[in-house]
Amino acid sequence: ETGVTQTPRHLVMGMTNKKSLKCEQHLGHNAMYWYKQSAKKPLELMFVYSLEERVENNSVPSRFSPECPNSSHLFLHLHTLQPEDSALYLCASSQEGQFFDTEAFFGQGTRLTVV
Amino acid sequence: GQNIDQPTEMTATEGAIVQINCTYQTSGFNGLFWYQQHAGEAPTFLSYNVLDGLEEKGRFSSFLSRSKGYSYLLLKELQMKDSASYLCAVRNYGQNFVFGPGTRLSVLP
Repeated sequence: ETGVTQTPRHLVMGMTNKKSLKCEQHLGHNAMYWYKQSAKKPLELMFVYSLEERVENNSVPSRFSPECPNSSHLFLHLHTLQPEDSALYLCASSQEGQFFDTEAFFGQGTRLTVV
Repeated sequence: GQNIDQPTEMTATEGAIVQINCTYQTSGFNGLFWYQQHAGEAPTFLSYNVLDGLEEKGRFSSFLSRSKGYSYLLLKELQMKDSASYLCAVRNYGQNFVFGPGTRLSVLP
């Protein structure tokens, strides 16, 4: 596989459920991101991991918990979500370096519906 | 604060030229990116500007003026498949990508 892969593509969960979103990148990048995309709103940055360390947490509620076990994998653990958390969750990766940075490469996203 | 502005919607005719503007105010500047996003799909990278001026890639060109906090994406010889949302994004000093709200372009026959 190439690029950035997200699973599952679609997820429906109840407010009391626990689920996890998975992202895997095959590009050798050293930074990974979670974004939330709601209807009629800009892409919202949720979390950033650089060299497997979390460097950004944009005031995201604690019901969202990220995990980055290595530079190729990123998870978003979901617990007791609210209906307003229904959105497209996008994972992205990029390469950051002293002399060379790349653009962000996106996965296909997970369409999450909270019922 | 960080703010990126784009028009919400634009309409153009097949074969025409359309210019999508983007203005930004961010905590530092480390490059401006344009992405295309079809409904229900991932954003895909179109172009990148870090220095002032015009970058051309086939039917797509992007312009940057850092002093004005302004960029535009120019699409020539429009095709029906160009109907999509176009996202302007700035990488700030924290190396984070900050996205604008996107411009939904409709190409009519």
